Amino acid sequence: AQSVTQLGSHVSVSEGALVLLRCNYSSSVPPYLFWYVQYPNQGLQLLLKYTTGATLVKGINGFEAEFKKSETSFHLTKPSAHMSDAAEYFCAVSPSGGYNKLIFGAGTRLAVHP
Amino acid sequence: GAVVSQHPSWVICKSGTSVKIECRSLDFQATTMFWYRQFPKQSLMLMATSNEGSKATYEQGVEKDKFLINHASLTLSTLTVTSAHPEDSSFYICSARRTAGAMNTEAFFGQGTRLTVV
Repeated sequence: AQSVTQLGSHVSVSEGALVLLRCNYSSSVPPYLFWYVQYPNQGLQLLLKYTTGATLVKGINGFEAEFKKSETSFHLTKPSAHMSDAAEYFCAVSPSGGYNKLIFGAGTRLAVHP
Repeated sequence: GAVVSQHPSWVICKSGTSVKIECRSLDFQATTMFWYRQFPKQSLMLMATSNEGSKATYEQGVEKDKFLINHASLTLSTLTVTSAHPEDSSFYICSARRTAGAMNTEAFFGQGTRLTVV
């Protein structure tokens, strides 16, 4: 069965520091991989996605993620955190491709301190 | 991006009553909508997929008679929790996708509905 594991339910960084949110997945077929962000009282917003091709994917707000098949990982990074990055981040996999049946990780709450 | 609106954002109801949650695509037609449920500190779990004008497809373990889904128009899907009980208290999120059959079309999420059954 496909699954997504996000290491660390809470991550705290200082403003300007590197952000690293970890995501590992299991899938029996080449997956589509996603990162979503959820701000308080708002819906999920797509940050970036990997489908095929280049394994380093750039998204909105300066975030990027790298698909590493050998490590079954899709970690999210941002070189320099902003206060506005504080939110809940969800990694998701679509084992069948596309946007059907997204399987989500439990989420990581990112706190950014001045 | 496209806008998906859920209503209400939060609702408290008495045990045994029914609650309807609406999911609207405000600026596009959504032939497919998805309903998810999220327990505290847990993942979003897909409950069902609905295509406009046809019956919803429920995931294994989801009671279709308890969670009634209607997708009668291209801009509105509703989820009705019937005879709600405290264990139904959860965060319900919908997402809407533009084109049926085009699996690579992004699905946009609503802001979620917090249901509390007392």
